[in-house]
Amino acid sequence: QQQVKQSPQSLIVQKGGIPIINCAYENTAFDYFPWYQQFPGKGPALLIAIRPDVSEKKEGRFTISFNKSAKQFSLHIMDSQPGDSATYFCAAREGNTGKLIFGQGTTLQVKP
Amino acid sequence: GAVVSQHPSWVICKSGTSVKIECRSLDFQATTMFWYRQFPKQSLMLMATSNEGSKATYEQGVEKDKFLINHASLTLSTLTVTSAHPEDSSFYICSARYQYEQYFGPGTRLTVT
Repeated sequence: QQQVKQSPQSLIVQKGGIPIINCAYENTAFDYFPWYQQFPGKGPALLIAIRPDVSEKKEGRFTISFNKSAKQFSLHIMDSQPGDSATYFCAAREGNTGKLIFGQGTTLQVKP
Repeated sequence: GAVVSQHPSWVICKSGTSVKIECRSLDFQATTMFWYRQFPKQSLMLMATSNEGSKATYEQGVEKDKFLINHASLTLSTLTVTSAHPEDSSFYICSARYQYEQYFGPGTRLTVT
């Protein structure tokens, strides 16, 4: 079964902390791994994405680490701010169809 | 760039009626769009893949006669919920594929009374 497992379900950090969200997958046919940020009542917004031939990608305060052999990837948010409080979803792209398989989501709260 | 809009943003309808939701790619052409449903505090569930000029491909368990999808142009896909029931109340979100990415619309909140 194609599945992406995401953890933790929720996370609380202090301002300036570095929350880390983890995802694991089984299907080696996945060829692209984006992260989305979603605020309540809004659609998901693309945050950052990585291909499996790259081990790390950084954009601003957001970093993806990718471990192909372990089939795991994670999102790190540096110097987190209260405005980063949102739900984060990892996803994996099915190469032949282009469909995204989403993780269960992580609700992040950054306390001032 | 890569902006996707949805209309309406929210709609309330009575049980048994039909509701149409529009998804538009504003600054790019999208041969493929996707429709998702999201229940409160849950992840996005793919309902169907919409390809311009051809029939939509529905995910297992999604009733294609209930959720009618039409992708008539490169910038517009529509989802029609037919004979809506209270259990169809949900947050419906579309996305459009542009180059290698999927960009999401702001979502449509459907409430069936």
